[in-house]
This record gives sequence, structure tokens and C-alpha cells, in this order.
Amino acid sequence: GENVEQHPSTLSVQEGDSAVIKCTYSDSASNYFPWYKQELGKRPQLIIDIRSNVGEKKDQRIAVTLNKTAKHFSLHITETQPEDSAVYFCAASIRSGGSYIPTFGRGTSLIVHP
Amino acid sequence: NAGVTQTPKFQVLKTGQSMTLQCAQDMNHEYMSWYRQDPGMGLRLIHYSVGAGITDQGEVPNGYNVSRSTTEDFPLRLLSAAPSQTSVYFCASSYRGQGLSEGAFFGQGTRLTVV
Repeated sequence: GENVEQHPSTLSVQEGDSAVIKCTYSDSASNYFPWYKQELGKRPQLIIDIRSNVGEKKDQRIAVTLNKTAKHFSLHITETQPEDSAVYFCAASIRSGGSYIPTFGRGTSLIVHP
Repeated sequence: NAGVTQTPKFQVLKTGQSMTLQCAQDMNHEYMSWYRQDPGMGLRLIHYSVGAGITDQGEVPNGYNVSRSTTEDFPLRLLSAAPSQTSVYFCASSYRGQGLSEGAFFGQGTRLTVV
């Protein structure tokens, strides 16, 4: 199976609603979990990340939660705005030799309707 | 700072041709990596480097070569292009933290079509 599974693949919300994207990972040694936002035709940009020794992290309207026992982490966006529309990717960093290698989820297309 | 600069932005190749995608960063990052992005597949790691003179394979390395002679540059070579290599390619760099993805900065991407 996939090392990182991401759901849903598409999420449509009304402006002002909350959006939640979930990812699960398989390697219990994973220790770093970033989230990237990619607008159409642009490069991925890091928006928030969390380490394995932290359960939750917030930055204004976005937050990430991590459940190490269940091996899943989630991105929460509150008070969504049309400019939040983009594809969001999660990633889990796994150890390979002496380096930590990221494995990405397949992405969630978030559409915020005005 | 320019950040991570990739060239070219667009390229069309014929099957069997070779080419090099250029990537340069001016942030003195130790880690650099190449990804390909295909619809519905997310980002998949091709090759990576943890420092000058050191490279290693990622998830999908076949058909690609890399070298890291300087900290700044990390070119990706397609040896003999195939239609399956049609994709968008991203170069990324990051500082020596929790590996390749921590604080990673991505280049603007190269859209490659192999006909």
C-alpha cells in the first residue's frame, strides 16, 4: 500500500466554512510532517509543519494535528476564503540510510466557493 | 536572493533525445532534490543530494542521472527521453534539518513533453 494516504482527493466548501484534510502514514519512525499549498501553475509552498514530539500547531487560520499512535495527521483551515483554493499536499519524512526522505500524499484539491 | 532557479520552464523533446534540467540555489542549502509531478500522483522523489559530491536515488530514479559538484547546482539529466517521462519537474532545496522536506523551497518547475 501507499506510504502516505491523503483524503479527500477533492473538497468543496462555502466561503467561511472550515476544511479538514487527513493523511495517514505507515512508517512509525516518521518524525516530520509538512503541508504544502500549490496554486494552479505554481510551485508547492510550505504552509505549516509539525514534528513528531508535538500534537498540534497553529498559525492564524491553519492548524495541523498529529496522532502518532494512530499514525495520522490533519490540516485544518478555518474561515476559508476563495484564495485558499489550491491543491494541498501532505508529506511524511521517513528515515532512509542517513537521511530523512519525504513521501507525499496524492493531494487534495480544495475549492472555496464565494 | 533568487531562491531556487530552474531552467527551462518548458521543453519538448523527441523520444530518444537527451537533455539536462538545470537547478541552482543561492541560499547555501545543503540538501537538494528533484521531484516529478504527474496528475493524481503527488510529488515523487527522483534523486537527492545531502551535500556536494553526494547523491542518492529516490523513489523513481530510472532514466535519470544527477551530479552535485557544487553546493549551488544540482542538474538532472534525462539520458534517453521516453513518453513516460512527460511530467512537471520540480527542484527543491532545504537546510540541514529534519531531512529533505524540512523548510524546503521549490523551484518554479519545468514542464517537459516527450513526443
